[in-house]
Amino acid sequence: GQNIDQPTEMTATEGAIVQINCTYQTSGFNGLFWYQQHAGEAPTFLSYNVLDGLEEKGRFSSFLSRSKGYSYLLLKELQMKDSASYLCAVRDHAPDAGNMLTFGGGTRLMVKP
Amino acid sequence: ETGVTQTPRHLVMGMTNKKSLKCEQHLGHNAMYWYKQSAKKPLELMFVYNFKEQTENNSVPSRFSPECPNSSHLFLHLHTLQPEDSALYLCASSRASGTEQFFGPGTRLTVL
Repeated sequence: GQNIDQPTEMTATEGAIVQINCTYQTSGFNGLFWYQQHAGEAPTFLSYNVLDGLEEKGRFSSFLSRSKGYSYLLLKELQMKDSASYLCAVRDHAPDAGNMLTFGGGTRLMVKP
Repeated sequence: ETGVTQTPRHLVMGMTNKKSLKCEQHLGHNAMYWYKQSAKKPLELMFVYNFKEQTENNSVPSRFSPECPNSSHLFLHLHTLQPEDSALYLCASSRASGTEQFFGPGTRLTVL
């Protein structure tokens, strides 16, 4: 079966750094994705990791350790607009039949002044 | 118009009604998806179409019936739904072997 765990809620201060963790146990692995979803809006793609290590994209970075079944999303210089849910998702096999993703429950991040 | 669009944005229906949700993508993608997002539950994949062929049916009840007439359009036909089917239904598209899925704004469905 598929199991993806991430904290339900986190709170951080504007300007600070926050790390959102995700652990997964899946029957296969072919990539880990992070999406951002503001309340009432559609999820938007943030990052993709398939090899171990850190991928940096502006204020956001994502890390993957396949041996540990672990990823984190790092948000730097937090802004109020970063308040949203962050969804971790795993693709468990090659995408030749489409990108089938299994999502975690999401982490609701609240950024306070 | 660009991106992924969904209509209607909101839908209220009785358990005996028949309705359809529509999704359209203008991104030239070949794969399209239906997801269900319920309160306090993970986003659940329902159906996947790849080059108009259904490649995944994630144990979805038969009261949900998908249709993909071409690579740009995806429908979800609804009949005799239950109140627990009330949720946000999201459509997404991607290149068939791509990484990023692009989501539509969703249809907020309420079943009375």
